[in-house]
Amino acid sequence: EVQLVESGGGLVQPGGSLRLSCAASGFTFSSYWMHWVRQAPGKGLVWVSRINSDGSSTSYADSVKGRFTISRDNAKNTLYLQMNSLRAEDTAVYYCARGGIDYNYALDYWGQGTLVTVSS
Amino acid sequence: SYVLTQPPSVSVAPGQTARITCGGNNIGSKSVHWYQQKPGQAPVLVVYDDSDRPSGIPERFSGSNSGNTATLTISRVEAGDEADYYCQVWDSSSDHNVVFGGGTKLTVL
Repeated sequence: EVQLVESGGGLVQPGGSLRLSCAASGFTFSSYWMHWVRQAPGKGLVWVSRINSDGSSTSYADSVKGRFTISRDNAKNTLYLQMNSLRAEDTAVYYCARGGIDYNYALDYWGQGTLVTVSS
Repeated sequence: SYVLTQPPSVSVAPGQTARITCGGNNIGSKSVHWYQQKPGQAPVLVVYDDSDRPSGIPERFSGSNSGNTATLTISRVEAGDEADYYCQVWDSSSDHNVVFGGGTKLTVL
């Protein structure tokens, strides 16, 4: 059974940093692209970032480019999102999701999400 | 960047057919994926590659894609189908980024 479990969310002050983790199990993690998607309270889904299977290629939404860094440790079956210079508008539930073995695939499994609140 | 446009809301009576549209420039040339999200839950993939269903998704869920509009069709709507629905594509023009539509709230009357 595919499982994705996010952790690391919490309350942080504006300008602060946070690192999210996503522990994967039930599939060959090193074969799949992975994504972070966020959802502000009462709002829609917004794609944040993606990383290819070996970590050699990453991409970011313009809203987080230069502040967030996606990475993965295939030996630990874990996806990360380092978030720096956090703003109030980064407040959201952050989901990790499994992509495919290349681009163009759907995000077929999602974690339950971790809440990040940026507030003083 | 590529923009996907969905109606904010769609209402349908139980047993009827719901159609949720997703508009985008020449979207027919892209693969469209659809997600269902119920309150307090993570999204669930219901249709991928325009019209395929993941295992466990009822046949009542179907999709089509042509021209500038993709459509998610839910036949014989049930109360349990009430949820937000999002379409999604890949934008190959921008470093292979993912794009979501704004979402459509399906209300079962």
